[in-house]
Amino acid sequence: QSALTQPASVSGSPGQSITISCTGTSSDIGGYKYVSWYQQHPGKAPKLLIYEVSNRSSGVSNRFSGSKSGNTASLTISGLQAEDEAHYYCISYTNSGPWVFGGGTKVTVL
Amino acid sequence: QVQLQESGPGLVQPSQTLSLTCTVSGASISSGNYYWSWFRQPAGKGLEWIGRIHAGGNSNYNPSLKSRVTISLDTSNNHFSLKLSSVTAADTAVYYCARDSGGGSSPYMDVWGKGTTVTVSS
Repeated sequence: QSALTQPASVSGSPGQSITISCTGTSSDIGGYKYVSWYQQHPGKAPKLLIYEVSNRSSGVSNRFSGSKSGNTASLTISGLQAEDEAHYYCISYTNSGPWVFGGGTKVTVL
Repeated sequence: QVQLQESGPGLVQPSQTLSLTCTVSGASISSGNYYWSWFRQPAGKGLEWIGRIHAGGNSNYNPSLKSRVTISLDTSNNHFSLKLSSVTAADTAVYYCARDSGGGSSPYMDVWGKGTTVTVSS
């Protein structure tokens, strides 16, 4: 069901900014504003970070931001911190419904 | 504060039916425009959506699992349940329940259970 393409891994040094891409098609990301992002630490449940492309979930740090251009959605983490080391997943609505997932990106803080 | 808690057997025999319950506290599953969802995650792999049910009874399932899945609501006990039939080792995973606040089209799972591990083995 991993119809959205995410990089397997992204890394950065503390304080840097990194961007995770999530690429789909006009049938999902490109056609709708319904993309969300989740953070998952090992052994923990996913946590909602961003919904509807760019809306930050309650209590989520403003270091996390979301955007979309064409068929690609992006999650940017600014001021990278050690606690940001985790897996990140994107999910989008699709017209073959209801959702498609990205395969996940492992973020490593160097 | 809304909380979800999964419960059920941790070990299921091959070809049997996996049954899990998600108990909701802090909110009524029969009110509001919410869907109540199930996900799973095999060890070391990504998330997989299993299906969901709306407070009004409408349900959607992952096409790859649809023939084996039933999700139901128990409003009197404020919980919802998952049944997955004819399980194999490939169904071994951590199973999560979640509240979907996106109103149907938006994948907006804002509350998650902690997850429960289910192993399919004889």
